[in-house]
Amino acid sequence: GAVVSQHPSWVICKSGTSVKIECRSLDFQATTMFWYRQFPKQSLMLMATSNEGSKATYEQGVEKDKFLINHASLTLSTLTVTSAHPEDSSFYICSASFRLSASALYNEQFFGPGTRLTVL
Amino acid sequence: AQSVTQPDIHITVSEGASLELRCNYSYGATPYLFWYVQSPGQGLQLLLKYFSGDTLVQGIKGFEAEFKRSQSSFNLRKPSVHWSDAAEYFCAVRGAQKLVFGQGTRLTINP
Repeated sequence: GAVVSQHPSWVICKSGTSVKIECRSLDFQATTMFWYRQFPKQSLMLMATSNEGSKATYEQGVEKDKFLINHASLTLSTLTVTSAHPEDSSFYICSASFRLSASALYNEQFFGPGTRLTVL
Repeated sequence: AQSVTQPDIHITVSEGASLELRCNYSYGATPYLFWYVQSPGQGLQLLLKYFSGDTLVQGIKGFEAEFKRSQSSFNLRKPSVHWSDAAEYFCAVRGAQKLVFGQGTRLTINP
């Protein structure tokens, strides 16, 4: 259980185009979804946190107009990279969280397999 | 603000040898600590976590970690590594509802 999928797994696009990445929780309803960015051989950097039905909260330094996040349902969040440029090339990972039980201390995060974006 | 440091960027061990990956954290309150593993081109898999109680926690795949408050450390160990353990390992601390990750340690296994 607690499986998170991402689509596509990889995408190549031309500079100036927009790309949409989907993140789905397959067997649970996610109260919160997170989007991370990972550069080669580096750590994961949180980009934004989104709750279903409300606007995403972006981390400092992340352009909200460039990285549009929509969390329309409890099982789906999308990240759209608008007017992509080569510097946006990266590995994007989403995670989804929910409370495993009423007594759980926190909402555990489950990670998707990631999406490799290459902008030419 | 919370932070995590993994001092070793890359570690190489022989198959069957023991392993210890270091993690130091900075957090004002009692930390929630995690170790994740990432295989090439994939997302993260949770190995183990510490919230409270016994400071030695057992995880999946034969891994364990020990929380030492006095040293602000949460080192990951495995008594005998397998070639399939080659991957990137991330330590993380949870604060304010979000995870903060260390820089990661890449583990290479020699046959």
